[in-house]
Amino acid sequence: QAVVTQEPSLTVSPGGTVTLTCDSRIGSVTSRHHPYWFQQKPGQAPRTLISDTSNRQSWTPARFSGSLLGGKAALTLSGARPEDEAYYYCFLSFSGSWVFGGGTRLTV
Amino acid sequence: EIQLVESGGGFIQPGGSLRLSCAVSGFTVSNNHVTWVRQAPGKGLEWVSVIYDSGDTNYADSVKDRFTVSRDSSDNTVFLQMDSLRAEDTAAYFCVGFGGNSYWGQGTPVTVSS
Repeated sequence: QAVVTQEPSLTVSPGGTVTLTCDSRIGSVTSRHHPYWFQQKPGQAPRTLISDTSNRQSWTPARFSGSLLGGKAALTLSGARPEDEAYYYCFLSFSGSWVFGGGTRLTV
Repeated sequence: EIQLVESGGGFIQPGGSLRLSCAVSGFTVSNNHVTWVRQAPGKGLEWVSVIYDSGDTNYADSVKDRFTVSRDSSDNTVFLQMDSLRAEDTAAYFCVGFGGNSYWGQGTPVTVSS
């Protein structure tokens, strides 16, 4: 199965901007991979932030945005808040199968 | 309000079987796809299986030929039949519904140990 890679950890200052990326070992990530982004805080179930590359869920704050950037899926957080400290996982489709990235631990 | 509620987890010996249920309210499972995801203690998320609106299914290599996903449209419930369980299947199992938004259940724990 395809390997999907993310930065293991990133740090952002409160109010700052950070971009998390999601890469596929077997080629560029495109909209055909239907990238999703999930957020998980300690002791909680994950929740969906972004679907199909860039669609915010109804509960997703506007400071989160999804895109494709240089052959990777990207999650950009603009105006980080302390409550955004969490693990973030990307999720890609490969011809009907799905693969998670290893997750990024974001520290604010 | 859309809710997904998993049940059926527990403690099982290696080689045993469990059947997980994902009871869905607020959207129709036969019109959307539902996936199962697991998370071993202290580890990341791992995709397990999906059942599409078409009824097509797919599985991670690690569970293929041991796990079976199905649904009951009358009950609006998705199931994960897990056979030949191994220690490495120990995890919290989540169902995730993909409609207009994407919704997670709270998970059900599975422990495989002798």
